[in-house]
Amino acid sequence: QVQLVESGGGVVQPGRSLRLSCATSGFTFSNYGFHWVRQAPGKGLEWVAVIWYDGSYEYYAESAKGRFTISRDNFKNTLYLQMNSLRAEDTAVYYCVRDTAAGAAYFDYWGQGTLVTVSS
Amino acid sequence: QSALTQPPSASGSPGQSVTISCTGTSSDVGGYKYVSWHRQHPGEAPKLIIYEVNKRPSGVPDRFSGSKSGNTASLTVSGLQAEDEAHYFCVSYAGPSNYVFGTGTKVTVL
Repeated sequence: QVQLVESGGGVVQPGRSLRLSCATSGFTFSNYGFHWVRQAPGKGLEWVAVIWYDGSYEYYAESAKGRFTISRDNFKNTLYLQMNSLRAEDTAVYYCVRDTAAGAAYFDYWGQGTLVTVSS
Repeated sequence: QSALTQPPSASGSPGQSVTISCTGTSSDVGGYKYVSWHRQHPGEAPKLIIYEVNKRPSGVPDRFSGSKSGNTASLTVSGLQAEDEAHYFCVSYAGPSNYVFGTGTKVTVL
């Protein structure tokens, strides 16, 4: 069955970097686009970034532009989120979410999330 | 981009229907057919129940239906069952490089 498993979260100091991974299985990874979505404590869901099925397009929320990079490895069936210059407001649970090839907002499968805490 | 507006809560008795609204703007909900709805039980990952405004994925019962009028999308759950008690949220495509989530609605089965 479809599985998405995030990893890489943890506690990090402001200004430092962290890379999240999302290992997938149960489907043909290269046929789908993927998002990172986050949820800060007590807040609603916030879209962070999307990457198309072949990696040809990446788009970012304003809060992530210039600091975060979404990428994928279609051989390892894995999605990544490189997060640099982290701020306290980046503290959240980060979810890996599958979509259609070009991101038609289906968000059809979600991982369980990985918690990122930015604190000194 | 502001979050899509949903009522914080909704409720109904078993067998009844409940409708949840998701209000945005002409730049998101009103401008595209790409609105999806998701159900989430505590401690679980969200599950897709409606995509492209009114389409149901395989395995989702026809008790769930979606619609859209102007800048507002709606989800109707008919024949409420105990398992429908959950958190529901909408998501809309908002043009190149943007997606917007709803504020979420807690549905209670009385």
